[in-house]
Amino acid sequence: DAGVIQSPRHEVTEMGQEVTLRCKPISGHNSLFWYRQTMMRGLELLIYFNNNVPIDDSGMPEDRFSAKMPNASFSTLKIQPSEPRDSAVYFCASSQFRGLGTEAFFGQGTRLTVV
Amino acid sequence: AQRVTQPEKLLSVFKGAPVELKCNYSYSGSPELFWYVQYSRQRLQLLLRHISRESIKGFTADLNKGETSFHLKKPFAQEEDSAMYYCALWGPSNTGKLIFGQGTTLQVKP
Repeated sequence: DAGVIQSPRHEVTEMGQEVTLRCKPISGHNSLFWYRQTMMRGLELLIYFNNNVPIDDSGMPEDRFSAKMPNASFSTLKIQPSEPRDSAVYFCASSQFRGLGTEAFFGQGTRLTVV
Repeated sequence: AQRVTQPEKLLSVFKGAPVELKCNYSYSGSPELFWYVQYSRQRLQLLLRHISRESIKGFTADLNKGETSFHLKKPFAQEEDSAMYYCALWGPSNTGKLIFGQGTTLQVKP
């Protein structure tokens, strides 16, 4: 397996534009997490899904952010409209619960720059 | 509420010196705690989990429920240990949330 795959790796966009980040989890995994990484706040959990169902989206900063998981092999995180303060690295992670000590596997991340 | 705190953004030590990366947590149940590491230009990966009580690359971490801490330690730092380290807590069962601290950058100088 190629692991968790995120696209694009880098995205530069103008303020006000819509941005869509994509994630393909590891096949067979039933949990998917979206995180935002910044110097100030570290790794913040935005939203996570279990069996394609959003379980907790309390970390989504504003209504401008939305996430979907239409099937077990694909998820998107959308920002509309984007703002400069959204600039960060966005990570997707997936896991298959196997009891205590379950490991989450991360993608390479998408570095978003909003100018 | 679930919370993980790493008080140090940056820890700089010389090669061969002991290292301790601090992690404190807040959780109402029995916590599942982990340390993840992110080396330069690599993806975040699991370093160790408290349930295994293992030593990985010379690192160990002991869960102290009284002090609600899970500090990461290594007796002799190596230059290749330079990386970003994140402490993480997993909530209850398979539908629980996995949250991370703010991260600590470890810099090991030659």
